[in-house]
Amino acid sequence: NAGVTQTPKFQVLKTGQSMTLQCAQDMNHNSMYWYRQDPGMGLRLIYYSASEGTTDKGEVPNGYNVSRLNKREFSLRLESAAPSQTSVYFCASLLDRGAQTKNTEAFFGQGTRLTVV
Amino acid sequence: EDKVVQSPLSLVVHEGDTVTLNCSYEVTNFRSLLWYKQEKKAPTFLFMLTSSGIEKKSGRLSSILDKKELFSILNITATQTGDSAIYLCAVEPQGAGNMLTFGGGTRLMVKP
Repeated sequence: NAGVTQTPKFQVLKTGQSMTLQCAQDMNHNSMYWYRQDPGMGLRLIYYSASEGTTDKGEVPNGYNVSRLNKREFSLRLESAAPSQTSVYFCASLLDRGAQTKNTEAFFGQGTRLTVV
Repeated sequence: EDKVVQSPLSLVVHEGDTVTLNCSYEVTNFRSLLWYKQEKKAPTFLFMLTSSGIEKKSGRLSSILDKKELFSILNITATQTGDSAIYLCAVEPQGAGNMLTFGGGTRLMVKP
């Protein structure tokens, strides 16, 4: 099925371990995003990429790095995981809207539940 | 800094009730406001609003935007247990990247 594919679905890390969350979309979208969701705090933007090869910090970038090597894939890396990074992570993609585009719907992956112990 | 505040934080109603969820925002160069429904996994899109006073409607759900007072409401009439979810509001500014700023969400529980 077309859409946003995010892996893994679940992960448990020890403090200090590193890992990469993978995200791929097959809708030819230019913009991709990484969010984390914590109870009562909605979705907070970690990093985003407006196009292939570009990335920018969002609201909560500390402790994370990202990579947009091609149009399809946008990965999120935790170099040294901390308990404060326990969260649910969502990747999303969105087609850049020109004047003629009516819908700005962002498509979300199914989420990664990360626990850092 | 863009800001989105949703209220109430949570709401418990019975089937058949009507609910109104609120979203207020501050954003530089507003482009659109979006509502999402999140059940167990990823948020799913409900509405996009760009103009004041024009109601968007989908079945029992409707939403309207007031760009002067900087808020939007999402109404659900004749609620059903399947409406139980977190409802997220987001604003999109003008400009590259189409960054969305999300509110904290309203958790709605509809009891039989």
